[in-house]
Amino acid sequence: DQQVKQNSPSLSVQEGRISILNCDYTNSMFDYFLWYKKYPAEGPTFLISISSIKDKNEDGRFTVFLNKSAKHLSLHIVPSQPGDSAVYFCAASALNRDDKIIFGKGTRLHILP
Amino acid sequence: NAGVMQNPRHLVRRRGQEARLRCSPMKGHSHVYWYRQLPEEGLKFMVYLQKENIIDESGMPKERFSAEFPKEGPSILRIQQVVRGDSAAYFCASSPSGLISYNSPLHFGNGTRLTVT
Repeated sequence: DQQVKQNSPSLSVQEGRISILNCDYTNSMFDYFLWYKKYPAEGPTFLISISSIKDKNEDGRFTVFLNKSAKHLSLHIVPSQPGDSAVYFCAASALNRDDKIIFGKGTRLHILP
Repeated sequence: NAGVMQNPRHLVRRRGQEARLRCSPMKGHSHVYWYRQLPEEGLKFMVYLQKENIIDESGMPKERFSAEFPKEGPSILRIQQVVRGDSAAYFCASSPSGLISYNSPLHFGNGTRLTVT
């Protein structure tokens, strides 16, 4: 039973345009959400996070939006660059309950020239 | 990724052999997590360890898998009598304390890719 769902296995976006990656979760106890980026043959790299008390967090070209009522979050990358081509994992944790981070299956982002 | 060291990067084992995967956490980190990524799947939590303690092994298969994090040396994930279904990428992550916080997300190593022939 997947608690963190990324329903789009892949996404192609033109260089310079906005990339929007979506994520849904089912566990209402989650209070901390993260995005990780992964290149082939490397481990996941932390990108950006957001706590459940916020609805938006921005870091340079990356912005994460959280909609708690819909149990939905999204990662916006603007403008998209060739180096952004990677697999993006959405993840969540219930900080007050345990220390596990639960990951989605990932979305492969392709930035087209 | 540079801080968390995993070895070997690639490991090939025949069915029935044992696989040992090692993880040295980032300097100053005393908590280690193991995750497994099966082909076309996300990262699945396996086990969380502190030095000399297993804190949470709820994601670990009940048989053939074990993990340790001794007082000295790296954390070891051991898989006995490997089967083809164990073929996956195994990632280790570390954190400075037992509480993942907004300022200290998990830092992952580059993984060990286990292939069982």
